[in-house]
Amino acid sequence: GENVEQHPSTLSVQEGDSAVIKCTYSDSASNYFPWYKQELGKGPQLIIDIRSNVGEKKDQRIAVTLNKTAKHFSLHITETQPEDSAVYFCAASNRNAGGTSYGKLTFGQGTILTVHP
Amino acid sequence: DGGITQSPKYLFRKEGQNVTLSCEQNLNHDAMYWYRQDPGQGLRLIYYSQIVNDFQKGDIAEGYSVSREKKESFPLTVTSAQKNPTAFYLCASSMSSGGGYTQYFGPGTRLTVL
Repeated sequence: GENVEQHPSTLSVQEGDSAVIKCTYSDSASNYFPWYKQELGKGPQLIIDIRSNVGEKKDQRIAVTLNKTAKHFSLHITETQPEDSAVYFCAASNRNAGGTSYGKLTFGQGTILTVHP
Repeated sequence: DGGITQSPKYLFRKEGQNVTLSCEQNLNHDAMYWYRQDPGQGLRLIYYSQIVNDFQKGDIAEGYSVSREKKESFPLTVTSAQKNPTAFYLCASSMSSGGGYTQYFGPGTRLTVL
């Protein structure tokens, strides 16, 4: 099955700096890669996702890049703000899987991002 | 106000007791999921349901049971057979179970075994 590795496990930056979180996946059939942000004591919230037919996607200060050949994808946050502090999770799934392999999301271990004012 | 609700927010259980966690959604989603989250780990899938009256085991189903009698509801029972039930439990739903459909999460229930 799919295995997703996420690095780093913790990341500390100064306000205004950029933050980059990287994930690698093992199943070459995976073609959907969402990123979630989880604040303390709350459920994860989708912040951006990318499908394998594109290499990069941006949404304001957040961008995700995908390298299918190397099987890794990254989250980039520019001009970080204290409110960006949270745990970030990457995930991968196969959009075309059916039956018992329905499209299960496999999550990375999470990155604790701290943005210092 | 659409979304996913989970109750209770905090739950305490004595060893040997079964306990049921509630999950309700009003998003008209077909698929629903239960995940377990432990400190320093990603989310692990317990059970999922693609449609009413149908559900499948995820990666860590032992010691858990579910039902899906209504489209809106997907309760999770943590049985006494679950060896280490203290964790944060998250319910999610998506329009369909096919890959690529966004999963939306509820606020979670923190279960503590005393």
